[in-house]
Amino acid sequence: GENVEQHPSTLSVQEGDSAVIKCTYSDSASNYFPWYKQELGKGPQLIIDIRSNVGEKKDQRIAVTLNKTAKHFSLHITETQPEDSAVYFCAASIRSGYALNFGKGTSLLVTP
Amino acid sequence: DAGVIQSPRHEVTEMGQEVTLRCKPISGHDYLFWYRQTMMRGLELLIYFNNNVPIDDSGMPEDRFSAKMPNASFSTLKIQPSEPRDSAVYFCASSLGGGYTFGSGTRLTVV
Repeated sequence: GENVEQHPSTLSVQEGDSAVIKCTYSDSASNYFPWYKQELGKGPQLIIDIRSNVGEKKDQRIAVTLNKTAKHFSLHITETQPEDSAVYFCAASIRSGYALNFGKGTSLLVTP
Repeated sequence: DAGVIQSPRHEVTEMGQEVTLRCKPISGHDYLFWYRQTMMRGLELLIYFNNNVPIDDSGMPEDRFSAKMPNASFSTLKIQPSEPRDSAVYFCASSLGGGYTFGSGTRLTVV
């Protein structure tokens, strides 16, 4: 089955800096790659997703890039703010709405 | 929309007892997923349904776990008998061909 690896497991940045989280996947049939943000005591929340026919997608301070050849995708957060502090999960699936395989998560801390 | 609703939020039970977790998906969503989250194993898919039919239950750890979806607006995950290693946060999520919407989870503690 699909195996999603996520790095780093923890990341600490200063407010205003950029943060990058990277994921790799094993199943070349995967073509849907969402990212989730989980705050303490809450369920994961979808923040951005990308499909395999797109190389990059942006939404304000958040961007995701996808390299299907290398089977890796990344989340970029620019101008980080303390409220960006949370655990971020990447995931992969053969199509949107289908069963997702999640990475182990990255705990992001943004210090003022 | 109230989102995906899970109950209870917290459950503490003694080993050997039966535990039932409940989920109400978003109206109109045709996929429902049950995940378990632990520090060691992260988010694990237990089972998912499409139009109330179980599609893949290969993630259910043992026969002690069972899940049902009697109609489009309700699903249950049952553990009988419960064991301390079942302690985790259990999430339900629903989808309509796009990203998931997760519930707030049920934190289960088996003592």
